[in-house]
Amino acid sequence: KQEVTQIPAALSVPEGENLVLNCSFTDSAIYNLQWFRQDPGKGLTSLLLIQSSQREQTSGRLNASLDKSSGRSTLYIAASQPGDSATYLCAFQGGNKLTFGTGTQLKVEL
Amino acid sequence: NAGVTQTPKFQVLKTGQSMTLQCAQDMNHEYMSWYRQDPGMGLRLIHYSVGAGITDQGEVPNGYNVSRSTTEDFPLRLLSAAPSQTSVYFCASRHGVGAEAFFGQGTRLTVV
Repeated sequence: KQEVTQIPAALSVPEGENLVLNCSFTDSAIYNLQWFRQDPGKGLTSLLLIQSSQREQTSGRLNASLDKSSGRSTLYIAASQPGDSATYLCAFQGGNKLTFGTGTQLKVEL
Repeated sequence: NAGVTQTPKFQVLKTGQSMTLQCAQDMNHEYMSWYRQDPGMGLRLIHYSVGAGITDQGEVPNGYNVSRSTTEDFPLRLLSAAPSQTSVYFCASRHGVGAEAFFGQGTRLTVV
């Protein structure tokens, strides 16, 4: 059974810092990895999708990497802003379902 | 530019009542699914569909029914609501295996 762990569970940083969110998984038989953002009381917004054959994807200040051999993915956020404050979720697609981690709650302070 | 639309956004039910959570997508996606989100447990798959007329169970299907008569719609039915079904419910869709998943804004359900 696929298990997904996200570390840290919560993170508070000053504005402008570069930061890394971590996601680890137990089963390398995945189709893809997807990172989401969730604001309080809202739905999930897709940030980046990495196919299993890819190593990384970039969108603006966000960069996500995937290392299937070590069972790890990282989300790198450059020059963090208060508007980045949210919960970040990683999810792996294996078969017909997404398996989610429990998220990292990020707060970026002025 | 609707994407995945869920209704209602909020609902309070009494134990034993039944109701249907609606989900519609306008992207012509084959795959649709329902998840529930509970504190400390992440999102868990309830039911999913790989196309009109085809549905299957996920991790936590008990107490829920689904049907898929059209590509666009995938309603979730609570047969007899229980307090354990208090949760936030999300509907998602994607084009196929390996494709990007898109989520609705969620339905916050409270069963008293």
